[in-house]
Amino acid sequence: QQPVQSPQAVILREGEDAVINCSSSKALYSVHWYRQKHGEAPVFLMILLKGGEQKGHEKISASFNEKKQQSSLYLTASQLSYSGTYFCGTEGPGADGLTFGKGTHLIIQP
Amino acid sequence: DSGVTQTPKHLITATGQRVTLRCSPRSGDLSVYWYQQSLDQGLQFLIQYYNGEERAKGNILERFSAQQFPDLHSELNLSSLELGDSALYFCASSASPGPGTEAFFGQGTRLTVV
Repeated sequence: QQPVQSPQAVILREGEDAVINCSSSKALYSVHWYRQKHGEAPVFLMILLKGGEQKGHEKISASFNEKKQQSSLYLTASQLSYSGTYFCGTEGPGADGLTFGKGTHLIIQP
Repeated sequence: DSGVTQTPKHLITATGQRVTLRCSPRSGDLSVYWYQQSLDQGLQFLIQYYNGEERAKGNILERFSAQQFPDLHSELNLSSLELGDSALYFCASSASPGPGTEAFFGQGTRLTVV
């Protein structure tokens, strides 16, 4: 089942913070976060694994609540380059490919 | 640049035709994934190969097929094309078949069926 992302869209001023949430109804092994700019490839940001391991960008933080099957991506002191659509992709233990949410559109204004 | 190469970047073809999309994974990566992205369906997993063998199957139509060759490049074949097949097709690669492995996406092939 497709994970649910919230909010659908957010507009920020440069320097403000944002939180993007991802929620799944199935048991998860990992949550992957990507950012995509229009017409470009999704860019890997972070992966959070069951058990607490994280791999990804130093400047991006995220959390994974295994009990609730929820993940949140924290963008602090946003920069213009953070604009784009953020996708969470969820993965069960069976390694059967990522199931992506519909995305959260983030617009950063100067 | 993720290191994943996809060709061609753009493809325009007529309904009923057949096309082949090509993907070269990052150096050292053994696993290749194919995804389709459209406005109405979003980003959807199609199929995964690992070291030449099919590993996982997602929402791939019977008209679509893929393979991974001994040199690890992969091809996605789309046949009997319909207008609804118009989409961005992405290939991603990872070092291992997962789960919990980072996957890096290529720039995609934009397919337009007219």
